[in-house]
Amino acid sequence: DAGITQSPRHKVTETGTPVTLRCHQTENHRYMYWYRQDPGHGLRLIHYSYGVKDTDKGEVSDGYSVSRSKTEDFLLTLESATSSQTSVYFCAISESSGRDNNEQFFGPGTRLTVL
Amino acid sequence: AQKVTQAQTEISVVEKEDVTLDCVYETRDTTYYLFWYKQPPSGELVFLIRRNSFDEQNEISGRYSWNFQKSTSSFNFTITASQVVDSAVYFCALYTGRRALTFGSGTRLQVQP
Repeated sequence: DAGITQSPRHKVTETGTPVTLRCHQTENHRYMYWYRQDPGHGLRLIHYSYGVKDTDKGEVSDGYSVSRSKTEDFLLTLESATSSQTSVYFCAISESSGRDNNEQFFGPGTRLTVL
Repeated sequence: AQKVTQAQTEISVVEKEDVTLDCVYETRDTTYYLFWYKQPPSGELVFLIRRNSFDEQNEISGRYSWNFQKSTSSFNFTITASQVVDSAVYFCALYTGRRALTFGSGTRLQVQP
């Protein structure tokens, strides 16, 4: 199994509070991703990173920011949580975005509830 | 635009039956990759297979087999002699080298004993 951990695994918070989710990898992979999973939508990309301090927006990036100061860590921040951000959040990593080794491996997920 | 459609929301079979999960994709790219992931009740996402657009050879891995047909833009997944442990949500996904995977909405497979 790819060495990917996410913390916390579960969190309940209130509307308007800031929340930071952490993804940590031990594989030294260049690419890291944050997805959210909601019923009927599969997984949708929030943000991704293609290197330290290199990030870009995904399909559903509004209300989220990310940071990557080290290869192994990718942080997802909800500046002011809303109930619509209640979801399961998955981090993923991949070695490459090219022809080979582009499969993404996923962390265990974080279940976030915003009341 | 890219799109993955898994029309079967939920499938229920009895153990030892064969079952096929359908996946239809849309992309204008000529180079792309298709994936299947399994999400068991415990919630993690398990990578099952990757196929690239240049290789239409079908693949078999134990009880699992995949049928890739570019002519119909489909990448179907068959489980032979299903088992209770196969009960999960299965996701098909498409990658074209632009940012990230495009997922289908998933098919929930329930295998009854």
